[in-house]
Amino acid sequence: NAGVTQTPKFQVLKTGQSMTLQCAQDMNHEYMSWYRQDPGMGLRLIHYSVGAGITDQGEVPNGYNVSRSTTEDFPLRLLSAAPSQTSVYFCASSYSSGQGARTEAFFGQGTRLTVV
Amino acid sequence: AQSVTQLDSHVSVSEGTPVLLRCNYSSSYSPSLFWYVQHPNKGLQLLLKYTSAATLVKGINGFEAEFKKSETSFHLTKPSAHMSDAAEYFCVVSGQDTGRRALTFGSGTRLQVQP
Repeated sequence: NAGVTQTPKFQVLKTGQSMTLQCAQDMNHEYMSWYRQDPGMGLRLIHYSVGAGITDQGEVPNGYNVSRSTTEDFPLRLLSAAPSQTSVYFCASSYSSGQGARTEAFFGQGTRLTVV
Repeated sequence: AQSVTQLDSHVSVSEGTPVLLRCNYSSSYSPSLFWYVQHPNKGLQLLLKYTSAATLVKGINGFEAEFKKSETSFHLTKPSAHMSDAAEYFCVVSGQDTGRRALTFGSGTRLQVQP
């Protein structure tokens, strides 16, 4: 059971380039999310999805796009990379408990992105 | 809306002494609360979770946390620190008032353990 798999682990981009961070989970979780982690700021939500075909914006969505065509996959696209997007990116999945509250999130190992 | 405040950005203890990492939350509904640990250059690992059962929650590696609704707190404790506990710790809240939104993270507490 692989859990949540993110690729690549490291990436260097030039300003203005685009790229896609991949995320896949094999736990049949309906919820998937992307976070970015910056020093002293914890993890901030970029985009999230509550199921295939449904996505919504989080706290810091500008400059990023997502889609959810299958339950398993939730790619994050950087449209035109900027130095401010230098960060560590985490993908996570979770599911609802019977009471409707969200259970704990299962995280990928992260992607360290540098934009020069 | 909900929020999480971790009251200390850095905590330093000596090996063998108790650990206290403080977390206060705000939520309109009964929340689920979690503590995650992140070792340097690693992903996030779940330490423990509170989901409206027992208010004293035991987790991995000897950590525990107590949910206090009257104080809106969920502090993380460990009786005796080990060198391997040095890491960053995140308090996280999830509640029904989030609607479809995901978890809300605190800003983190970096724990240093001195020999």
